[in-house]
Amino acid sequence: EAQVTQNPRYLITVTGKKLTVTCSQNMNHEYMSWYRQDPGLGLRQIYYSMNVEVTDKGDVPEGYKVSRKEKRNFPLILESPSPNQTSLYFCASSLSGPGGYTFGSGTRLTVV
Amino acid sequence: GIQVEQSPPDLILQEGANSTLRCNFSDSVNNLQWFHQNPWGQLINLFYIPSGTKQNGRLSATTVATERYSLLYISSSQTTDSGVYFCAALYGGATNKLIFGTGTLLAVQP
Repeated sequence: EAQVTQNPRYLITVTGKKLTVTCSQNMNHEYMSWYRQDPGLGLRQIYYSMNVEVTDKGDVPEGYKVSRKEKRNFPLILESPSPNQTSLYFCASSLSGPGGYTFGSGTRLTVV
Repeated sequence: GIQVEQSPPDLILQEGANSTLRCNFSDSVNNLQWFHQNPWGQLINLFYIPSGTKQNGRLSATTVATERYSLLYISSSQTTDSGVYFCAALYGGATNKLIFGTGTLLAVQP
C-alpha cells in the first residue's frame, strides 16, 4: 500500500531532551516536507526537500533540523525541544511533477 | 502568495443530508487538493483536482480553475463524515509548498 509512515504517533517529552520523528514513504517520491498544525495558525511548513541531499527551510524552521540521506526517509530532529514546539506534526510527500500530496498520520508531540 | 479561503467555517447536518463546501483561491494553481481531517487528527487525501470534476462514492469535487474556486459535495452524509475539511493549493516555485485554507468544521448528527 502506498503510504507515508510517521513514528511515533504520540510523544510526551521534557524540555531539552533531543528527539527524532521519523518519516518514510514507499512511493519513490522526490519531494518531502514537514508541517506543523496549531490551533488558530493552521498548517505551516517547517522544512522541505526536493530530493536526496537537498533540503531547505520553510516558514517556521527555528528549532528543527532535517536530513535527506535516502530518498524514502526524511526525519525531523528537535535538538533541544521547548514547550512552544508542542504541536501536531505531519510529514508529506509528492512527485516533483503534477500530482497530489500524501500525508502521514501525524505525530502529536507534547513538550513539558 | 496564494490566499485560500473556505466557506462555511462551520456546518451542522443531520445524517442523510447533502452539503456543498467552497474553496476560493486568489491566483491560478497547478495543484488543488481536498483533505478530510478526522477526529483523530489524521489528514486523509480526498481529491487531487486542479481542474474538472471527480467523484468517489458519496463525495465529488469540481474545480473551475479559470474562476478560481473549487467545490466539495457530500451527499447522504454519515456521522463518520464529521471532522474538518481543508482545501489546499500548491504555491509554486522552489518551495513547492501547499497553502491550506482555514477549513470547514463539519458535524453530522445522527
